[in-house]
Amino acid sequence: GQSLEQPSEVTAVEGAIVQINCTYQTSGFYGLSWYQQHDGGAPTFLSYNALDGLEETGRFSSFLSRSDSYGYLLLQELQMKDSASYFCAVRVNDYKLSFGAGTTVTVRA
Amino acid sequence: NAGVTQTPKFQVLKTGQSMTLQCAQDMNHEYMSWYRQDPGMGLRLIHYSVGAGITDQGEVPNGYNVSRSTTEDFPLRLLSAAPSQTSVYFCASSYGTGDLYEQYFGPGTRLTVT
Repeated sequence: GQSLEQPSEVTAVEGAIVQINCTYQTSGFYGLSWYQQHDGGAPTFLSYNALDGLEETGRFSSFLSRSDSYGYLLLQELQMKDSASYFCAVRVNDYKLSFGAGTTVTVRA
Repeated sequence: NAGVTQTPKFQVLKTGQSMTLQCAQDMNHEYMSWYRQDPGMGLRLIHYSVGAGITDQGEVPNGYNVSRSTTEDFPLRLLSAAPSQTSVYFCASSYGTGDLYEQYFGPGTRLTVT
C-alpha cells in the first residue's frame, strides 16, 4: 500500500514563509510532485522532484531526500492568493500517482 | 485549447441509477485518469488509460467502468449508484506515462447519491 503524511492545516501571515512537509512509504518511488487546489477547483501542478535536492520556481521551492523518504514544499513571501490546499503526490510506477490527504494553507492579512 | 473538460458540473442521482461522467481533452495526451476526492482523503485513482483501447484499474475501481475508444475521450460509468459514491470526480491527463508526474485536471463533477 501507499502512505503519504502531510500536516492537515497551516496558518501564516502575508509575507511569511511556510514549509509543508511530506513523508511517504510507498511500494515504488519515481519522484514527488506537488499540486495546488483552490476551493475545491481543479488541482494544478506546481513542481516535481525526481532526484535529491531543491527545485526553485519563483516564490515556491520543493525539496526531496530519497534516503529519508521525505520532501517539502516551501512557500515564500506569502500572498493572500496562496490560500489553498496543497497535495504531495508520489509517482509509484509508470502508471500511478498516489496523493496525500492535503494541507490547507490559510494566509492572514 | 480548452484543456480537460468535464460534464456535468453537478449531478444528483438516486441509489441504483446509472450514469456516465464525460471527460475530454484536446491536447493529444496519451495518458488519462479518473480520481475521486473525498473530504480529508486526497485524490484516489479509480481507473486510468495509457492510450486508446487500453484501460486499467486504479486503487478504488469497484462500481465504476471506463472505456477509451478515442485519444480525446475517457468516460466514467457508474453502474448502480450508491451513497458511498457521493464525491467530487476529477478527470486528468498527461502527455504520456513519462510525464505522469504533471497531470492536467478538469474542473470536476460534484456527484450526490441519495
